[in-house]
Amino acid sequence: AQSVAQPEDQVNVAEGNPLTVKCTYSVSGNPYLFWYVQYPNRGLQFLLKYITGDNLVKGSYGFEAEFNKSQTSFHLKKPSALVSDSALYFCAVRASYSGAGSYQLTFGKGTKLSVIP
Amino acid sequence: EAGVTQFPSHSVIEKGQTVTLRCDPISGHDNLYWYRRVMGKEIKFLLHFVKESKQDESGMPNNRFLAERTGGTYSTLKVQPAELEDSGVYFCASSDVGGRVDEQFFGPGTRLTVL
Repeated sequence: AQSVAQPEDQVNVAEGNPLTVKCTYSVSGNPYLFWYVQYPNRGLQFLLKYITGDNLVKGSYGFEAEFNKSQTSFHLKKPSALVSDSALYFCAVRASYSGAGSYQLTFGKGTKLSVIP
Repeated sequence: EAGVTQFPSHSVIEKGQTVTLRCDPISGHDNLYWYRRVMGKEIKFLLHFVKESKQDESGMPNNRFLAERTGGTYSTLKVQPAELEDSGVYFCASSDVGGRVDEQFFGPGTRLTVL
C-alpha cells in the first residue's frame, strides 16, 4: 500500500526567509509525486509534479521541490516566503503502473504554513 | 475555461437523511474522481470514473454511498442514510485522458455536516 507522511502539522517562517515543507512517501515502483495547496475556503490547487527526469522540479508561484529517491522524500521549497503563501499544503503520491487503482492519489495529512510579516 | 465545480458548497443534514452532492468536471475530461477529507485527517480516495464507467471504487466506505456519472459528464454522490461519521469535505477532481501523467484538477469541495 502506498502512503505519504508530512511530519510537521505546522511550519512558521518569517517573510523573506526560505521555507521548506517536508514530505516522505512509500509506494511500489517508481513514484509520481505531487504538491497541492489549499487556500482558505478554496479547493486544492496544483503546484507541481515529479514524474521522471530532473530531480528538481519547478512549479507555480516560485515553488520548487526536490525528489530524493534514496531518502524517499519530495520536500517543497521556496527561496523567499511571502505572507500570501500562508495556506495548507498537501503532498500526494500515485503509483506509476498502469491499470485499475493506479490513478488514485494518496495524500499526506497536510502542513499548515504560516508566513509571519 | 471553467474549473471543476461542486454543488452545494455546504450541506447540513440530520442523521438518517439523504444528501446528494454534484460535481461538474472540466469540459472534455474523461476522468472524474471523488475524495473525502474527514476533519484533521488525510484526504482519502473514494472512486474513479472513466467516462460513465466506474474504474476503481475501492475507496467507497460502504453501500450507503452511491456514485453515478450518467452520460459521462457530471457526477453525483449520494449518501443514504447519512451517519455522523460521514461529516467532512467531499472533493471532486477531473483529469484528461492521455499517455502522460496529468495532474488532477480539484473543485472547491462540499462541506457536509451530519448532526
